[in-house]
Amino acid sequence: QKEVEQDPGPLSVPEGAIVSLNCTYSNSAFQYFMWYRQYSRKGPELLMYTYSSGNKEDGRFTAQVDKSSKYISLFIRDSQPSDSATYLCALKEGGGGNKLTFGTGTQLKVEL
Amino acid sequence: SAVISQKPSRDICQRGTSLTIQCQVDSQVTMMFWYRQQPGQSLTLIATANQGSEATYESGFVIDKFPISRPNLTFSTLTVSNMSPEDSSIYLCSVAAGGGTDTQYFGPGTRLTVL
Repeated sequence: QKEVEQDPGPLSVPEGAIVSLNCTYSNSAFQYFMWYRQYSRKGPELLMYTYSSGNKEDGRFTAQVDKSSKYISLFIRDSQPSDSATYLCALKEGGGGNKLTFGTGTQLKVEL
Repeated sequence: SAVISQKPSRDICQRGTSLTIQCQVDSQVTMMFWYRQQPGQSLTLIATANQGSEATYESGFVIDKFPISRPNLTFSTLTVSNMSPEDSSIYLCSVAAGGGTDTQYFGPGTRLTVL
């Protein structure tokens, strides 16, 4: 079993839709949770960073962490064609280490 | 956020040869990281490079195959040695964001194809 599971998609939605992207994990030591966006042939770009459980909102993006269920989500409201990319979840253990553990990424396409 | 550049952006190499990838950051950073992103797989950390010390390699990666240099606080290189087609991948460097967060910023990546 992988430490982090993420549905690879592709996920296709119409413009304006609400998108829900998810990751599940097995390691209860993960304390820091991140979402990265990666456009084709580009490096990952940090979107959201959350420590421990709860919600965090930034514009059209909301990150949600449920540590009891080992489940994290990224919601995109009013999705735009420019949101078409691969979304990667990344998790880090507490305790001062630096290693990020990534999901495989979900490919999202927002269609006009 | 830090601006990170990588050279080359892509390359096609022959089996048995070596390629050195450069990573340049626009500000001084303590920690730099090298990742591999194979098709359909998650980003995997190869090693952590601190200036003035030997790189720390993750399980499954060895210095003889992936030697790393870190001569100063803005630059690092990763060499992929004695390449085989299985080394075809995107190689990315990243830097710790600092500022009290535990995130990393990534370079644009080097797309390597080994024939």
